[in-house]
Amino acid sequence: GAVVSQHPSRVICKSGTSVKIECRSLDFQATTMFWYRQFPKQSLMLMATSNEGSKATYEQGVEKDKFLINHASLTLSTLTVTSAHPEDSSFYICSAREGPKLSGELFFGEGSRLTVL
Amino acid sequence: AQSVTQPDIHITVSEGASLELRCNYSYGATPYLFWYVQSPGQGLQLLLKYFSGDTLVQGIKGFEAEFKRSQSSFNLRKPSVHWSDAAEYFCAVGGGGRRALTFGSGTRLQVQP
Repeated sequence: GAVVSQHPSRVICKSGTSVKIECRSLDFQATTMFWYRQFPKQSLMLMATSNEGSKATYEQGVEKDKFLINHASLTLSTLTVTSAHPEDSSFYICSAREGPKLSGELFFGEGSRLTVL
Repeated sequence: AQSVTQPDIHITVSEGASLELRCNYSYGATPYLFWYVQSPGQGLQLLLKYFSGDTLVQGIKGFEAEFKRSQSSFNLRKPSVHWSDAAEYFCAVGGGGRRALTFGSGTRLQVQP
């Protein structure tokens, strides 16, 4: 099946620094990627929809300037957490859908655990 | 707006016993329905999905789910649970295309020996 790779899988950073997380579709082209956030023992909450070549669409309550999303190619989307603070510590998961198919199974990355000290 | 409800936060079953995890959804059109499993600290693995057709869907690892439109439900079942099935299970609904999935709150499954 299709593979979505996230990097890094774990990252620890100091408060105030920025962290970039990459999401790559390895064997298919993804015109749309989604970024989710998961707090411990909770469900996945959609943060934003990343569309190749255009601006991301953010969910209500998600700060655009804090969570920068770039989808520069059909196989790569990046999430940058700017000026990270301890409350940004979370598990971030990306997912990608192959092309615009309506029967769209989403393929998920393995997730990136961010810890802000 | 689409939503998913998983009424059971935590379920414990004995190994070899049958399992049913409940999922109810709200969606304005014909839904695409999914069940995912997540082990601690890991990403999501798709167990099965329903798009159309036969309302009883077979998935991996011996799981199945039944779509019941009249009840807006998509319950997950397994006839005999294995210790390795202990994990978090998420039901999700989506409309395909450029739309994201909406996840339920998850059900944590514990398996007793």
